[in-house]
Amino acid sequence: GQQVMQIPQYQHVQEGEDFTTYCNSSTTLSNIQWYKQRPGGHPVFLIQLVKSGEVKKQKRLTFQFGEAKKNSSLHITATQTTDVGTYFCAVSRANNLFFGTGTRLTVIP
Amino acid sequence: AAGVIQSPRHLIKEKRETATLKCYPIPRHDTVYWYQQGPGQDPQFLISFYEKMQSDKGSIPDRFSAQQFSDYHSELNMSSLELGDSALYFCASSLGGQGDEQYFGPGTRLTVT
Repeated sequence: GQQVMQIPQYQHVQEGEDFTTYCNSSTTLSNIQWYKQRPGGHPVFLIQLVKSGEVKKQKRLTFQFGEAKKNSSLHITATQTTDVGTYFCAVSRANNLFFGTGTRLTVIP
Repeated sequence: AAGVIQSPRHLIKEKRETATLKCYPIPRHDTVYWYQQGPGQDPQFLISFYEKMQSDKGSIPDRFSAQQFSDYHSELNMSSLELGDSALYFCASSLGGQGDEQYFGPGTRLTVT
């Protein structure tokens, strides 16, 4: 089955510091999606990347899809306390999503 | 905007009992997905339906079954509950299938005692 590894598992940052989570696959991906789940909440769709080398930005968030379409990253610039949560990458296959293991971000005020 | 509705939000059952979880997708969404999320775990795909037909199956135990009805709502039926079934159960919906963004409901927290 589809295996997607995500690192790091946990990340604690001071407010204002940057944060990056990485998603890696051993196989070529057709697309990759990113979701954010706040503590006690449900996953919320952030973005989908489809093209090799694609880079998309949403305010302080930058998403990248690797040239080989085997890895992806999410970078947050100048974190805020509202960024707290677990960030999942997810791979779409057939009619389901395979989630990465997630990176739990804690932002220290 | 209307979101995915799940009921109940919390459910407590005893071992060997049965449970039924309900999901009402966003209007006009034709695909429904069910996920199970244990504490500190990532969501695990259970099953999905497209236009009322089962479209994909993941790690759903044989004790569980699901269906999508004519009004597109879906129900997850769980029998012979075990302690390990305690988890958050999310329903998600999308317009179309593969590759489309999924909208998740608030989840049902099932506790089996």
